[in-house]
Amino acid sequence: ETGVTQSPTHLIKTRGQQVTLRCSSQSGHNTVSWYQQALGQGPQFIFQYYREEENGRGNFPPRFSGLQFPNYSSELNVNALELDDSALYLCASSLVYQETQYFGPGTRLLVL
Amino acid sequence: EDQVTQSPEALRLQEGESSSLNCSYTVSGLRGLFWYRQDPGKGPEFLFTLYSAGEEKEKERLKATLTKKESFLHITAPKPEDSATYLCAVPAGNFNKFYFGSGTKLNVKP
Repeated sequence: ETGVTQSPTHLIKTRGQQVTLRCSSQSGHNTVSWYQQALGQGPQFIFQYYREEENGRGNFPPRFSGLQFPNYSSELNVNALELDDSALYLCASSLVYQETQYFGPGTRLLVL
Repeated sequence: EDQVTQSPEALRLQEGESSSLNCSYTVSGLRGLFWYRQDPGKGPEFLFTLYSAGEEKEKERLKATLTKKESFLHITAPKPEDSATYLCAVPAGNFNKFYFGSGTKLNVKP
């Protein structure tokens, strides 16, 4: 059974640019959530996708957007990058609604 | 407002020195409390889920317990490989949004 994978592992961007992060869910999982984790903090919920639709959103501006595909893989897009967007971005998948979430290794984004 | 607080922020132990980590929450209508272990630069690794007060779960040197207002992660005779940040999280709202605490960074010295 393949776990949650994310790409790329590291990324460096400059302020104002756009970035796309990718996530492949654990086999059979149909729900994907994205989190932002700043250094020394716990993960902060960005949004969740279920059956290709956004199922809930945290306190993040609209320049954070996402997609889920029919194979349950997902993308996180961030437009107009700001310095404070530098963080570890985590993707988590779950089997059904409200079950345990399994996390990928994360993408480390640095905005200069 | 729903909130999860962990203490202490950091804990240094000698190998074999047992201790406990605390996670307190104010989420109404608890639907489970989750413990994760996170190594530096990696994603959180699932450890336990607790659903009701009085429930206990064990895994190797770790035991998690749950009361109506808090959870404890007991570490018995820790080893250096137990060094990591331990996170607790609770789901809230109409969907599975997790509220995470800031974590306890555990350092076990040989």
